[in-house]
Amino acid sequence: QKEVEQNSGPLSVPEGAIASLNCTYSDRGSQSFFWYRQYSGKSPELIMFIYSNGDKEDGRFTAQLNKASQYVSLLIRDSQPSDSATYLCAVNAQAGTALIFGKGTTLSVSS
Amino acid sequence: EAEVAQSPRYKITEKSQAVAFWCDPISGHATLYWYRQILGQGPELLVQFQDESVVDDSQLPKDRFSAERLKGVDSTLKIQPAELGDSAMYLCASRNVLFFGPGTRLTVL
Repeated sequence: QKEVEQNSGPLSVPEGAIASLNCTYSDRGSQSFFWYRQYSGKSPELIMFIYSNGDKEDGRFTAQLNKASQYVSLLIRDSQPSDSATYLCAVNAQAGTALIFGKGTTLSVSS
Repeated sequence: EAEVAQSPRYKITEKSQAVAFWCDPISGHATLYWYRQILGQGPELLVQFQDESVVDDSQLPKDRFSAERLKGVDSTLKIQPAELGDSAMYLCASRNVLFFGPGTRLTVL
């Protein structure tokens, strides 16, 4: 059973701080990795994806991938109250297959 | 901006009744997914289509769930009979990086 693990949280950070969200996966052959944000009662929206080891930056968001450790993370710099949501990590074992999601981490940013 | 359309947005039904959900993916997207998301959990795949063909339905409870995409465009997911445990958000998604529709919130009483 291929698994994606995330701490459920809640992760609480003050406004302006860096939020760090972590995810591990069990399938060593996984090829692509995604982070989604989901507000309460809404559907998930894609934030960013990463395929290669290292860091990928997009605005205030940085995804980090370490395939040797089977670990992917999302950093949110200058956290805002509007970033308060559940963050879902998803993994694609191979091209053409469906994503496998973690249970999500709830982030709360206090003003 | 093109979007995945779903209807209805909300559905309340009694157990043992039949329910159906509809999805229209982004135009030109051959791959379509139905996911189910129980409150507090991540989305779980129910069925994946490539055009009109089912690619993966290994997690679809086939005794009560059915899905079709007859012309390779829009899709329907049906539950008959609905059970209390089917209460969840049903999400339709399009293409590899998954553009999700707004979802259908199902409540089974």
